[in-house]
Amino acid sequence: DTAVSQTPKYLVTQMGNDKSIKCEQNLGHDTMYWYKQDSKKFLKIMFSYNNKELIINETVPNRFSPKSPDKAHLNLHINSLELGDSAVYFCASSQERQGRTATIYFGEGSWLTVV
Amino acid sequence: GQSLEQPSEVTAVEGAIVQINCTYQTSGFYGLSWYQQHDGGAPTFLSYNALDGLEETGRFSSFLSRSDSYGYLLLQELQMKDSASYFCAVSPQGSSYKLIFGSGTRLLVRP
Repeated sequence: DTAVSQTPKYLVTQMGNDKSIKCEQNLGHDTMYWYKQDSKKFLKIMFSYNNKELIINETVPNRFSPKSPDKAHLNLHINSLELGDSAVYFCASSQERQGRTATIYFGEGSWLTVV
Repeated sequence: GQSLEQPSEVTAVEGAIVQINCTYQTSGFYGLSWYQQHDGGAPTFLSYNALDGLEETGRFSSFLSRSDSYGYLLLQELQMKDSASYFCAVSPQGSSYKLIFGSGTRLLVRP
């Protein structure tokens, strides 16, 4: 069973379109994340949710809107896509322990290409 | 703020030992983690140092020195499959619910 699964794996779309990426985790974790990895492989946190509540929003444009219907799901909707949004988007989850983030489990990534 | 610096690329020979360094500037953190990422794959957890010293997990070891703001990942008996990118990461104190990742080191293992 896949621990953190996200769909779609590949997405090619035109500038200006709106797209969504879905994520689900079956690990029972309380915390979920979206990370963005650019072409230089730099991994940057975008959002984190704990028990469906937004905890971290790292100065991400308003065009990006995460939604967590329950603690096992965290979806990412992107409006008005721009060329610079092309990247790999990783969903992840973890279980907080004593105030620190424990091991993070990543999904396989969604490769977004905006043309 | 936090920043973690790593060499961009390291090359080593199969069977050798390689050390990947991570120097950081951070106001405080719970521990230093290491992740491995193969091309086209997801980052996967390798090791975690909550305290100073060496942690060993099979062929991989990780070291942390808070006084030197420095850590490293040591890979022994290198195999071709170890060719991947390696990231150090910290969980900042006062900023739970996130890991801050270093710039990543691409390791190329040659026959």
